[in-house]
Amino acid sequence: NAGVMQNPRHLVRRRGQEARLRCSPMKGHSHVYWYRQLPEEGLKFMVYLQKENIIDESGMPKERFSAEFPKEGPSILRIQQVVRGDSAAYFCASSQNRGRSYEQYFGPGTRLTVT
Amino acid sequence: AQTVTQSQPEMSVQEAETVTLSCTYDTSESDYYLFWYKQPPSRQMILVIRQEAYKQQNATENRFSVNFQKAAKSFSLKISDSQLGDAAMYFCAYMDYSGAGSYQLTFGKGTKLSVIP
Repeated sequence: NAGVMQNPRHLVRRRGQEARLRCSPMKGHSHVYWYRQLPEEGLKFMVYLQKENIIDESGMPKERFSAEFPKEGPSILRIQQVVRGDSAAYFCASSQNRGRSYEQYFGPGTRLTVT
Repeated sequence: AQTVTQSQPEMSVQEAETVTLSCTYDTSESDYYLFWYKQPPSRQMILVIRQEAYKQQNATENRFSVNFQKAAKSFSLKISDSQLGDAAMYFCAYMDYSGAGSYQLTFGKGTKLSVIP
């Protein structure tokens, strides 16, 4: 049973370019969370999605960041016009359902470097 | 908003010895979950142990155990018989309903654990 998949593992973008990060949840999971880890920091919540719905985007920056989780295919975190401060590791986690008792399983992360 | 504090940026332990990592949190809720995650150099987040706040008994997973003090809002991790493979960043995390629709995790800043052979 494959775990949470993220690609690419490493992504380098120049300032002003777009970054697209992909997350395929575990089989049978329909809930996806995105977290960001800045250097020397813990992970911080960005957005929570179910299939075709954004449930909670309270942690997303107001501009340039968007997320989707279509009916078919992976969840996408999109960062437009990247800046140096976007350099971080981005983790996605999936869970089977919503609630305290449902464990979030993490992917290996995508390390974004903005030059 | 909930906060999680790990006051020890770095810790070290001799191989085969025991070490305790500290974590405190702030919440007004009575029902929540607490977690310890391990992040080795590969950066993969690995769940080590979790504790349900309504359970008085401390959780245990092999060499890992917690000391959960609900009134003090303290949740420390004890690693017994430390092994070289335990060297990693350890993050304490809290989960509760966010009010905006999700059960998001709130993480501390982490403790870097070194194991000395």
